[in-house]
Amino acid sequence: KQEVTQIPAALSVPEGENLVLNCSFTDSAIYNLQWFRQDPGKGLTSLLLIQSSQREQTSGRLNASLDKSSGRSTLYIAASQPGDSATYLCAVSGSRLTFGEGTQLTVNP
Amino acid sequence: EAQVTQNPRYLITVTGKKLTVTCSQNMNHEYMSWYRQDPGLGLRQIYYSMNVEVTDKGDVPEGYKVSRKEKRNFPLILESPSPNQTSLYFCASSPVTGFHSNQPQHFGDGTRLSIL
Repeated sequence: KQEVTQIPAALSVPEGENLVLNCSFTDSAIYNLQWFRQDPGKGLTSLLLIQSSQREQTSGRLNASLDKSSGRSTLYIAASQPGDSATYLCAVSGSRLTFGEGTQLTVNP
Repeated sequence: EAQVTQNPRYLITVTGKKLTVTCSQNMNHEYMSWYRQDPGLGLRQIYYSMNVEVTDKGDVPEGYKVSRKEKRNFPLILESPSPNQTSLYFCASSPVTGFHSNQPQHFGDGTRLSIL
């Protein structure tokens, strides 16, 4: 059974810092990996999707990498801003979509 | 605007009183799914549907029913709700087979259910 773990569970940083969120998964037989953002009282917004044949995807200040063989992905956020404060979830797509519990990020002005 | 719409957003009800949470998407997506989100357990899939009249169980289907009579709608039915179904529920949709494709899932804003 696929298990997805995200570290750290919570992170608080000053504005402007570059930061890395980690995601690991136990079964490397995946189709893709997605990073989502969840704001309080809201649903999930897809940030980046990396197909299993890809190594990374970039969107603006966000860069996600995937190392399928080692079961790891990282989400890099450059020059963090208070508006980046949210919970970030990764999900892997195998026989079904399996989510990690998320990293709660707070960016302080 | 492309969106997934869930109703109601909030509901407090009592044990045993049947309820339905509606989900509608306007993107002509084939794949739709229901999840529940609980502290310490993350998001878990309840049911999913690959297309009209095709539904299948996810990880936690007990106590729930779904139907897919039209492409745009995928209601979640709790025939006899119990307190352990108190949770935050999300509906999601995506094109084709969803998790097999390169298309991300689109999520509704969630429905917070409290079963007393």
